[in-house]
Amino acid sequence: AQSVTQLGSHVSVSEGALVLLRCNYSSSVPPYLFWYVQYPNQGLQLLLKYTTGATLVKGINGFEAEFKKSETSFHLTKPSAHMSDAAEYFCAVAYSGAGSYQLTFGKGTKLSVIP
Amino acid sequence: DTGVSQDPRHKITKRGQNVTFRCDPISEHNRLYWYRQTLGQGPEFLTYFQNEAQLEKSRLLSDRFSAERPKGSFSTLEIQRTEQGDSAMYLCASSPGGRTGELFFGEGSRLTVL
Repeated sequence: AQSVTQLGSHVSVSEGALVLLRCNYSSSVPPYLFWYVQYPNQGLQLLLKYTTGATLVKGINGFEAEFKKSETSFHLTKPSAHMSDAAEYFCAVAYSGAGSYQLTFGKGTKLSVIP
Repeated sequence: DTGVSQDPRHKITKRGQNVTFRCDPISEHNRLYWYRQTLGQGPEFLTYFQNEAQLEKSRLLSDRFSAERPKGSFSTLEIQRTEQGDSAMYLCASSPGGRTGELFFGEGSRLTVL
């Protein structure tokens, strides 16, 4: 079984400040890890993903995340927040083996950016 | 470029009525998923189709729920004898083959059961 825990349901940062959204996962097999973003009144959109290889992955809009197996974490960061980053962010895990295609999502973290 | 579209976007119904949601995936995507999202929660997996075959179903999908994808194109999700606990956003997503977890979501269909 796999699960995702996102620490902090709501995070506020000032414009220009570092964004750090935390995600820890539990998986009995090597995971595939994802961050999705949901802007108001829009569908979820893939921000970045980790499958294999390089543990630091870069996504759209200047976001990146690092897979740390020893810490079972996949935290999302962005050096400088922009007002347009205000949205809800979901971390998700998928089973890397054959036969299962479902994503397990965390509860989400709502990011507010203060001007 | 047309993304995933869902219809209706909003549905208000009385308890005990049946409702049906439709999803039109991105045309070249052979995989289609239904998720449910309630307030304060992340999306929860309901079911998955590869072409017209329903390959995976969550235990959340009770016998009042049925999903189809005839001819491997659009999909429908029907809820029979709705209950207040069915109130949620129903999300459809599609993906191309071979890219696990890379889903393209529609904007969702919000169901309110009175």
